[in-house]
Amino acid sequence: SQKIEQNSEALNIQEGKTATLTCNYTNYSPAYLQWYRQDPGRGPVFLLLIRENEKEKRKERLKVTFDTTLKQSLFHITASQPADSATYLCALNTGFQKLVFGTGTRLLVSP
Amino acid sequence: DTGVSQNPRHKITKRGQNVTFRCDPISEHNRLYWYRQTLGQGPEFLTYFQNEAQLEKSRLLSDRFSAERPKGSFSTLEIQRTEQGDSAMYLCASSSSPRGQETQYFGPGTRLLVL
Repeated sequence: SQKIEQNSEALNIQEGKTATLTCNYTNYSPAYLQWYRQDPGRGPVFLLLIRENEKEKRKERLKVTFDTTLKQSLFHITASQPADSATYLCALNTGFQKLVFGTGTRLLVSP
Repeated sequence: DTGVSQNPRHKITKRGQNVTFRCDPISEHNRLYWYRQTLGQGPEFLTYFQNEAQLEKSRLLSDRFSAERPKGSFSTLEIQRTEQGDSAMYLCASSSSPRGQETQYFGPGTRLLVL
């Protein structure tokens, strides 16, 4: 069956450290993968998109890697801040128009 | 603000009533999507429009659900004879369609509670 797995348990880190979130998928062949941030009661906010032929993408303190052999994406936030506390969702485009989302990982950054 | 807007933001209704939600996409976007999200889960795809044409519907979209985008701009999602299981956040997203790019921009959502 097709699955997208993200750590269901919250990730707690201290301010200034690097947060690393994992997205694993099975039985998908995504054309690209996207990461979104979602705050409670709000809609997801787009962060980064990485295509299947790209290994890594960066934007300010954010970095995404995409390994189509391992079927895994890693999302890194360097020099994390309490304001980075949110739920982070990975989503796959499979060549069709819809996004298929993981369940999200909640990140808590403590001062 | 030129982002995606949704109305109402919150809706409480009694079981069996009909509800309608509206989504106004980013003005230059020709693609519009509806998703549903329940607590602790990621958004689940419901349906997708390109301009005014509804091109894909999920199995989640039962006969009680209908969506329209009559002029290729705003869209409405109607749920008839609501059930308690319909309680969720309903999200709308939009995108443009340059080849090879599919970033979807989401609205704030409409939270539905069916009593």
